[in-house]
Amino acid sequence: DIQMTQSPSSLSASVGDRVTITCRASQSISSKLNWYQQKPGKAPKLLIYAASNLQGGVPSRFSGSGSGADFTLTISSLQPEDFATYYCHQSYGSTWTFGQGTKVEIK
Amino acid sequence: EVQLVESGGGLVQPGGSLRLSCAASGFTFSSYDWHWVRQVTGNVLEWVSAIGIAGDTYYPDSVKGRFTISRENAKNAVYLQMNSLRAGDTAIYYCARVKVEGGIWYFDYWGQGTLVTVSS
Repeated sequence: DIQMTQSPSSLSASVGDRVTITCRASQSISSKLNWYQQKPGKAPKLLIYAASNLQGGVPSRFSGSGSGADFTLTISSLQPEDFATYYCHQSYGSTWTFGQGTKVEIK
Repeated sequence: EVQLVESGGGLVQPGGSLRLSCAASGFTFSSYDWHWVRQVTGNVLEWVSAIGIAGDTYYPDSVKGRFTISRENAKNAVYLQMNSLRAGDTAIYYCARVKVEGGIWYFDYWGQGTLVTVSS
């Protein structure tokens, strides 16, 4: 199975900060990488698909980049509603896997 | 409006069985692949099963032979039959719709989840 490693596992940031989360795959997955946001008690919500495509309705402060095995999710200016846990997800192989999550907390 | 509503979760003893259901509305159900994803202790997300438009099914080794995914297009529903349940199967189970674009698969909609607890 393809292993997905996110870093950091958690971070503290202030409103207005630029936040970067990375996700590394154990092998090349082309651009088959997606990002989700999850708030407590809620289902995950799609933010970015195919590494860099913004899902409809998602604010433009979210962006994704990368290909191959290394990927990045960036929040350009953190807003109060962005405090949540973020997961990367690969859909390359026959077995899909997720990163362990990055919890973004208020500083 | 796309809506996915899971049901069927609950408390079950080790070795027992449960059948989860996911009722979909607001779109053409038969045009999509469907997956079940679970969230276990520590909030780790694990892919559990998949069913294609043609009814082809896929499972990770951890549930293969114990879980069965099925779909009923006439009822706009997808199911997960879980047998021989173990404590490690305790989780929130989500159904998720798969969208394909440019050869990339992703989950564009998720249900609200149903809790399965396996304990004596």
